[in-house]
Amino acid sequence: AQKVTQAQTEISVVEKEDVTLDCVYETRDTTYYLFWYKQPPSGELVFLIRRNSFDEQNEISGRYSWNFQKSTSSFNFTITASQVVDSAVYFCAPRSQGNLIFGKGTKLSVKP
Amino acid sequence: DAGVTQSPTHLIKTRGQQVTLRCSPKSGHDTVSWYQQALGQGPQFIFQYYEEEERQRGNFPDRFSGHQFPNYSSELNVNALLLGDSALYLCASSFDRDAFFGQGTRLTVV
Repeated sequence: AQKVTQAQTEISVVEKEDVTLDCVYETRDTTYYLFWYKQPPSGELVFLIRRNSFDEQNEISGRYSWNFQKSTSSFNFTITASQVVDSAVYFCAPRSQGNLIFGKGTKLSVKP
Repeated sequence: DAGVTQSPTHLIKTRGQQVTLRCSPKSGHDTVSWYQQALGQGPQFIFQYYEEEERQRGNFPDRFSGHQFPNYSSELNVNALLLGDSALYLCASSFDRDAFFGQGTRLTVV
């Protein structure tokens, strides 16, 4: 089965705190891509980052960083110095055979 | 450069009716995918179109059908609407690895 588990249903933090969103996935593909999307209340899914499965180097992009570990099938996403505008639902999504597999998402609330 | 655009943004239909949703992909993108997102859930893959043909399909009944035009725009058709079809319908366009989404069409079936 191919599926995504985002165990944190909701997270609430105060502005400027760092927050990490967890993601564990299952896929039968040997090579694949992993994505994180953000969905604000407006509904549009906003592309944040992409990671391929054959390069485990972790990266930082501005306030975003991610930790990919293929051995544990985890792809965690960290926002540093969170802001109120980061409040949204965040989805981790592996891409399998062209289509994205989504979990239920994690709702992040950042309070001033 | 316009992103992915969907129309209409909101729609109310009666059970048993048929509906057509439209999507214009991002410039340069040739692949369009459709997703259904029920309230409180993650998006579920419906199908994907490439070169005017359905290339992949998720676990959705035949009531859900689609089309892609030569300009890469796409339509999603749903026949014999059920109350359970009420959802946000998202279109994504891609040209290689990354998929970009439109703002969605909120369909309410009453």
